[in-house]
Amino acid sequence: DIQMTQSPSTLSASVGDRVTITCRASQSISSWLAWYQQKPGKAPKLLIYKASSLESGVPSRFSGSGSGTEFTLTISSLQPDDFATYYCQQYNSYPETFGQGTKVEIK
Amino acid sequence: EVQLVESGGGLVKPGGSLRLSCAASGFTFSSYSMNWVRQAPGKGLEWVSSISSSSSYIYYADSVKGRFTISRDNAKNSLYLQMNSLRAEDTAVYYCARQRADFDYWGQGTLVTVSS
Repeated sequence: DIQMTQSPSTLSASVGDRVTITCRASQSISSWLAWYQQKPGKAPKLLIYKASSLESGVPSRFSGSGSGTEFTLTISSLQPDDFATYYCQQYNSYPETFGQGTKVEIK
Repeated sequence: EVQLVESGGGLVKPGGSLRLSCAASGFTFSSYSMNWVRQAPGKGLEWVSSISSSSSYIYYADSVKGRFTISRDNAKNSLYLQMNSLRAEDTAVYYCARQRADFDYWGQGTLVTVSS
């Protein structure tokens, strides 16, 4: 199985900060990586697919990069609505594994 | 508008069974693979099972293999998860999700609690 490791687990930041979350795969997954945002009590929401493609309707302050085994999600200027938990997911092969999550908290 | 609505969750004793349903609308259900993903209280997301559009390909996480069965009825636009031999560690919110390759639409989830 492909293991997905996110860092950091928790991130404290202020409104307006540039935020970067890293996701590493235990083996190459090409660009078959998605990023999701989840708020408490809600379903996950797709933000980025195929490592760097922005899902329709998602603000352009979100961006993704990387390929192979190392990926990043960047929020260029953190907004109050962005405080949430973020998950990466590989869909290169089954089982389709998620990272453990990164909680973005208010500093 | 794409909608996925899960139902069937509840409280069940260890060793018991439960059948979850996911009603889909707003898209051509028979054209998409579908998935179940779960989230234990306070924990991360765990993929559970996937079924292809025509049910030809089915996959399970090792943690549920042999106990859970995924199925679909394209005529009824519905996805199912039959859960048998339930354990305390199966306690979670269960989401159904549409698979485009990534999971582009998710339901609101249904809570399954396994406890005596």
